[in-house]
Amino acid sequence: GAGVSQTPSNKVTEKGKYVELRCDPISGHTALYWYRQSLGQGPEFLIYFQGTGAADDSGLPNDRFFAVRPEGSVSTLKIQRTERGDSAVYLCASSFGTSGGWDEQFFGPGTRLTVL
Amino acid sequence: DAKTTQPNSMESNEEEPVHLPCNHSTISGTDYIHWYRQLPSQGPEYVIHGLTSNVNNRMASLAIAEDRKSSTLILHRATLRDAAVYYCILRDWSGANNLFFGTGTRLTVIP
Repeated sequence: GAGVSQTPSNKVTEKGKYVELRCDPISGHTALYWYRQSLGQGPEFLIYFQGTGAADDSGLPNDRFFAVRPEGSVSTLKIQRTERGDSAVYLCASSFGTSGGWDEQFFGPGTRLTVL
Repeated sequence: DAKTTQPNSMESNEEEPVHLPCNHSTISGTDYIHWYRQLPSQGPEYVIHGLTSNVNNRMASLAIAEDRKSSTLILHRATLRDAAVYYCILRDWSGANNLFFGTGTRLTVIP
């Protein structure tokens, strides 16, 4: 079946602009996660959705970052007034959302964001 | 979640077994041990997880020390496709659902 997809695969923008990154999770997965990965580092958690609501947004670095998942499926990560330090690969993952510490997350290929 | 410590890099010859170590001396009784790997230019993918007993699946084996303060991911015959960054992650069964990746071990497979 189809995996997690992310669009666009690459995004180049100028400092100060607004960007939206989209994630299509695996059908039937109730949990959705956003991570950010800088060069040479492991992915860092940003936000986690269970259904339509953000269950944990403790990883969002500041109020320029916002994410929505209005119908419990597709999610959009929104970044306002982009800065050069926002340049990274943004990864989305989804899972069945079962509790218990063993829930496998399925990752998309990521969106590479470059802020000039 | 408790932290893990992994070597920055390792090398293996193709078709040889690979043992990737992970130390987690502050592991709690409710932490599961997960391994993910990330191939070049791809998102991470799940490899295996365990709690106390050793585990096997089609990709790898996970050997967990009796005191659970360390574990080893075993690739029985490394292939060039196994070249990736391997992350050892602890997940509390009752805690947050997000994954804390750390910097992982970069595995190079030599033909």
